[in-house]
Amino acid sequence: NAGVMQNPRHLVRRRGQEARLRCSPMKGHSHVYWYRQLPEEGLKFMVYLQKENIIDESGMPKERFSAEFPKEGPSILRIQQVVRGDSAAYFCASSPPVGGQGNSYEQYFGPGTRLTVT
Amino acid sequence: QQQVKQSPQSLIVQKGGISIINCAYENTAFDYFPWYQQFPGKGPALLIAIRPDVSEKKEGRFTISFNKSAKQFSLHIMDSQPGDSATYFCAASKYGGATNKLIFGTGTLLAVQP
Repeated sequence: NAGVMQNPRHLVRRRGQEARLRCSPMKGHSHVYWYRQLPEEGLKFMVYLQKENIIDESGMPKERFSAEFPKEGPSILRIQQVVRGDSAAYFCASSPPVGGQGNSYEQYFGPGTRLTVT
Repeated sequence: QQQVKQSPQSLIVQKGGISIINCAYENTAFDYFPWYQQFPGKGPALLIAIRPDVSEKKEGRFTISFNKSAKQFSLHIMDSQPGDSATYFCAASKYGGATNKLIFGTGTLLAVQP
């Protein structure tokens, strides 16, 4: 059973470009969370999505950042007009639905996408 | 009220010793407390977790102690090994509410010396 998959693993963007990060949850998981980890810091929650719905985006910056989890395909975190301060590791986690296999409150993380803005 | 405070920031333990990492939370609505282990360049891996209905949970060499009245919980790693050298994060969440987002501590860098 494959774990959470993220791609790309490393992404380099120039200031002003767009960054698009993809996350495929574990099989059977329908909840996706995005977290950001700045160098030498802990993980900060950004957004929580279920299929086709944003449940909690309280950690998302109000501008330039957006996320989606379509009915088909991976979840995508999009950062428009990137700035140097966006350089960080972005992690996706997934959990099963309530009533599904496993505990719905356990979040399993992917390997992350390391974004570097030059 | 959303913070989770973790200490120490770094820890050096001799092989075979006990590693102890502490966390404290403020929000009494939190009811799920996991610990994650992260190696450099990797994603966090769920290590062990506890709900507030028990005061201790043990899995192999890893034990969580939970003190609900003090709003504190700790990770104990018995017989620490060099392979345990990693960064450890505690976290907390309110399960079943509008969101299951995890609030993380700032991490503890553990080095186990051979």
